[in-house]
Amino acid sequence: EVVMTQSPATLSVSPGERATLSCRASQTITNKLAWYQQKPGQAPRLLIFGASIRAAGIPARFSGSGSGTEFTLTISSLQSEDFAFYYCQQYNNWPPLTFGGGTKVDLK
Amino acid sequence: QVQLVQSGVEVKKPGASVKVSCKASGYTFTRYGISWVRQAPGQGLEWMGWISVSNGNTKYAQKFQGRVTLTTDKSATTAFLELRNLRSDDTALYYCARDKVYEPDAFDIWGQGTMVTVSS
Repeated sequence: EVVMTQSPATLSVSPGERATLSCRASQTITNKLAWYQQKPGQAPRLLIFGASIRAAGIPARFSGSGSGTEFTLTISSLQSEDFAFYYCQQYNNWPPLTFGGGTKVDLK
Repeated sequence: QVQLVQSGVEVKKPGASVKVSCKASGYTFTRYGISWVRQAPGQGLEWMGWISVSNGNTKYAQKFQGRVTLTTDKSATTAFLELRNLRSDDTALYYCARDKVYEPDAFDIWGQGTMVTVSS
């Protein structure tokens, strides 16, 4: 099973600042990585797939990068609606598909 | 619009079974797959399994093998998750999500979730 490790667990950011979230895979997953945003009481929303491709309707301030085992989600200028949990997910080696433990982005 | 609408809250006793439904609309049901993901209270996301709607192929997480069955009803554009021999640690919010038809992938559409509580 591929273990996905996200860091940090919590990221405190001020509006307008840049946020950088990391995700590491225990073995190579090529570029088969997705990022999701989840707000309290809501289902996750797909942000990024293929490590760097924004999903439909996702603002350009969200970008993904990386390949192999190291991945990054960057929010270039944090907006108030971006405070949420973020999860990475690998879909290269399955079953099972696996998620990281999540990063909470909160207000500094 | 494209959406997945899930069935309502379930409360079950340990050892019982639960069957959760996921009604798809706004897209061609048979051109996609469905994955199921659960989230225990205050916890992260856990993938349970995937079904190809077109041919019924399934893949399950080993953790749930033998206790879970995924099915679909194409005429009703509905997917189902059945989980048997429920335990207290199965208490979670269960989500269905639209997936690729040939293999699991990223999930672009999610249902609203179905809360399943297992308690004596």
